Amino acid sequence: AQSVTQPDIHITVSEGASLELRCNYSYGATPYLFWYVQSPGQGLQLLLKYFSGDTLVQGIKGFEAEFKRSQSSFNLRKPSVHWSDAAEYFCAVDPFYTSGTYKYIFGTGTRLKVLA
Amino acid sequence: GAVVSQHPSRVICKSGTSVKIECRSLDFQATTMFWYRQFPKQSLMLMATSNEGSKATYEQGVEKDKFLINHASLTLSTLTVASAHPEDSSFYICSARVGPQGQETQYFGPGTRLLVL
Repeated sequence: AQSVTQPDIHITVSEGASLELRCNYSYGATPYLFWYVQSPGQGLQLLLKYFSGDTLVQGIKGFEAEFKRSQSSFNLRKPSVHWSDAAEYFCAVDPFYTSGTYKYIFGTGTRLKVLA
Repeated sequence: GAVVSQHPSRVICKSGTSVKIECRSLDFQATTMFWYRQFPKQSLMLMATSNEGSKATYEQGVEKDKFLINHASLTLSTLTVASAHPEDSSFYICSARVGPQGQETQYFGPGTRLLVL
């Protein structure tokens, strides 16, 4: 079955430190991949997306993600974390062009805590 | 990016009343919108896919008669929680799918917090 795994439920980093959030997918083809961020009590904001082409994708707020086909991964990175980055991060897969369904498959989320 | 709004942002109601939540795409048209429910500290649970001009497609286990969805225009979808009960209290989020073919993306609204007393 198709699935998205975010192995880390919680991550704590110090402000200024680098960050990597992991996302692995189980899928029969290269899906479309997304990272979203959710602040408490808010909706989801799109950080970045990958459809094809360059496997290193730049997003908003200084985030980037790298698609690695061999590892079925789409990890999110930021070189220097700011206190305002504390939030919940969701990885999502859009299987539409291989399954015909528009429905995203979401990971369970990673809650990021930033220490001052 | 595309902007999606929701109204109201928060609603408190008595058990047995119906509550309507609006989801609007502000700067684009969306033939497909989605309604999600999110429990505390959990991921999003898709409730239904809303297609403009046709009936919504509900996920397994979601009561169609309880969660009424109408997508009457290309910029508006509504979710009505009929005869709400305390167990319907939750955070409801909508999204709209938009983009050029092959690059469609879901953009999410800010969510609506429903509390049923």
